[in-house]
Amino acid sequence: NAGVTQTPKFQVLKTGQSMTLQCAQDMNHEYMSWYRQDPGMGLRLIHYSVGAGITDQGEVPNGYNVSRSTTEDFPLRLLSAAPSQTSVYFCASSYSPGQGYGYTFGSGTRLTVV
Amino acid sequence: SQQGEEDPQALSIQEGENATMNCSYKTSINNLQWYRQNSGRGLVHLILIRSNEREKHSGRLRVTLDTSKKSSSLLITASRAADTASYFCATEANAGGTSYGKLTFGQGTILTVHP
Repeated sequence: NAGVTQTPKFQVLKTGQSMTLQCAQDMNHEYMSWYRQDPGMGLRLIHYSVGAGITDQGEVPNGYNVSRSTTEDFPLRLLSAAPSQTSVYFCASSYSPGQGYGYTFGSGTRLTVV
Repeated sequence: SQQGEEDPQALSIQEGENATMNCSYKTSINNLQWYRQNSGRGLVHLILIRSNEREKHSGRLRVTLDTSKKSSSLLITASRAADTASYFCATEANAGGTSYGKLTFGQGTILTVHP
């Protein structure tokens, strides 16, 4: 089925460990982004991309890296996990926000850092 | 910081009633979007309204935008129990044409529709 696929769905990390959250879309969307959602809060933008090879920082980029080597994939890397990074992470993509297209979201990765 | 402030934080109504949620924002925008999130799930795009539009409809949804007041409202008519979810507004800021790709979300309104 077409859409945004995030893996894994759940992950527990120890403080200091690193990992990569995977995000893939098969809709040929140029725009992709990563958000985190904490209890009682809306989503906050971590990093975003407007096309392959182009990434930029969002509101809360510290502790995270991204790259966009293909249109389809936009992985998010946690460099050295901290308890403050315990959150639910969402990846989203869009064909063309400027032309009135909204974003398609993945089902999320629930990350716990102990 | 959260661009959007949503009001109310929680709304409880009976099936068949209308539900109205409001969103205020701070900066100039290109467009404003509304999303629904069912518990433990990803967000689903509902409707997008551009800065030069004042009202938009989609099924039982009606969205208004007042750029002079920097505010928007989402009206769900004839609510159903299945509409129970969190609703978020999100804005794409107007920053000289380089803003696309960045959504800023409000904290959301939790809607409960009782059968």
